[in-house]
Amino acid sequence: AQSVTQLDSQVPVFEEAPVELRCNYSSSVSVYLFWYVQYPNQGLQLLLKYLSGSTLVKGINGFEAEFNKSQTSFHLRKPSVHISDTAEYFCAVSEGAQKLVFGQGTRLTINP
Amino acid sequence: GAVVSQHPSRVICKSGTSVKIECRSLDFQATTMFWYRQFPKQSLMLMATSNEGSKATYEQGVEKDKFLINHASLTLSTLTVTSAHPEDSSFYICSAQLGLEETQYFGPGTRLLVL
Repeated sequence: AQSVTQLDSQVPVFEEAPVELRCNYSSSVSVYLFWYVQYPNQGLQLLLKYLSGSTLVKGINGFEAEFNKSQTSFHLRKPSVHISDTAEYFCAVSEGAQKLVFGQGTRLTINP
Repeated sequence: GAVVSQHPSRVICKSGTSVKIECRSLDFQATTMFWYRQFPKQSLMLMATSNEGSKATYEQGVEKDKFLINHASLTLSTLTVTSAHPEDSSFYICSAQLGLEETQYFGPGTRLLVL
């Protein structure tokens, strides 16, 4: 069975500092990996996804993530955050055309 | 592209009544739609997978007679919470799968409050 672990429930960062949100997964087969962002009282917006090919994936809003198969990780990074990046971030995994399994989420708070 | 809408965005109802939530894919056809439930400060929990023209597949622990799902067309799925009770109060989010890309696009969510 698949599972996703987001190691940090909360990450406070100063504006313009870099940030990394960690995500590890477990699965016995090849997977697809996703990062979603959720702003307060809203649905989820796709940030980026890894289906195949290059392990470095670039997404919207300056975010990128790197798929590391040996470490079963898919950490999300941004070199310089903005106040508007304050939100909840969810890592998710799916095995082909199957349901998404979400991590518990990481609350990113940007301080001025 | 890949826009998913939900209606209503917020609903308040009395205990014992039924509430219908609509999920629409606005600019693509979705053979599969998903319904999630999210409690405050928690992750999304999949309730059911809805395939157009067939019965929904419910996750373990989700009462199919209480949460009725209909997927009558390639752009519309509905979730009806029957005989709602205060414990059903939650944020309900749908998603639609964009063909073989395996990407789910999410609606903005519906906040249900049962008094």
